[in-house]
Amino acid sequence: DIQMTQSPSSLSASIGDRVTITCRSSQIISTHLNWYQQKPGKAPKLLVYDSYTLETGVPSRFSGSGSGTDFTLTINNLQPEDFATYYCQQSYSTSCSFGQGTKLEIK
Amino acid sequence: QVQLVESGGGLVKPGGSLRLSCSGSGFMFSDYYMSWIRQAPGKGLEWVSYISRRTGHTDYAHSVKGRFTLSRDDAKKSVYLEMNNLQVEDTAVYYCARGGRGSSGLDYWGPGTPVTVSS
Repeated sequence: DIQMTQSPSSLSASIGDRVTITCRSSQIISTHLNWYQQKPGKAPKLLVYDSYTLETGVPSRFSGSGSGTDFTLTINNLQPEDFATYYCQQSYSTSCSFGQGTKLEIK
Repeated sequence: QVQLVESGGGLVKPGGSLRLSCSGSGFMFSDYYMSWIRQAPGKGLEWVSYISRRTGHTDYAHSVKGRFTLSRDDAKKSVYLEMNNLQVEDTAVYYCARGGRGSSGLDYWGPGTPVTVSS
């Protein structure tokens, strides 16, 4: 099975900062990599699919990149509503596995 | 608009069974893969299973294979997750989502239904 590893596990940042979250897969997955945002008590929300395509309605301060095994999610100009937990997920293989999550907190 | 709603969660004893349902609306249900994802209390997301469109091919996480069965009824715009021999470690919120392997992300999610396995 493909393992997904995110880093860091947690991150403190301030309003207006730029942050980057990294996701690495244990096997090559082309660009079959998706990013989700989850707030406490809520279902996850799709932000980016196929590595770099922004889901409709997602602000342009979010961006994704990468292919093969290494991927990043970047958030520019952090806003108060961006403080949440972020997950990567591969949709290349049958297991559709998720990363362990990155909790983004206010500094 | 697209909506997914799960039902069937609850409290069950170890070794027991539950059947979760997910009903979809606002889209052509038969055109889509459907997936189940769970989240144990305070933990991350774990993919559980998906079912393909048309053929109804299914796949499962190793942790549930042989105990869980996913099916779909396109006429009723629903998927069903039959969970047998439930264990304490199956305790989680179970989410239904549109999409699966090879799809462009899980683009719509239900609010989730809680399952608690406890004696």
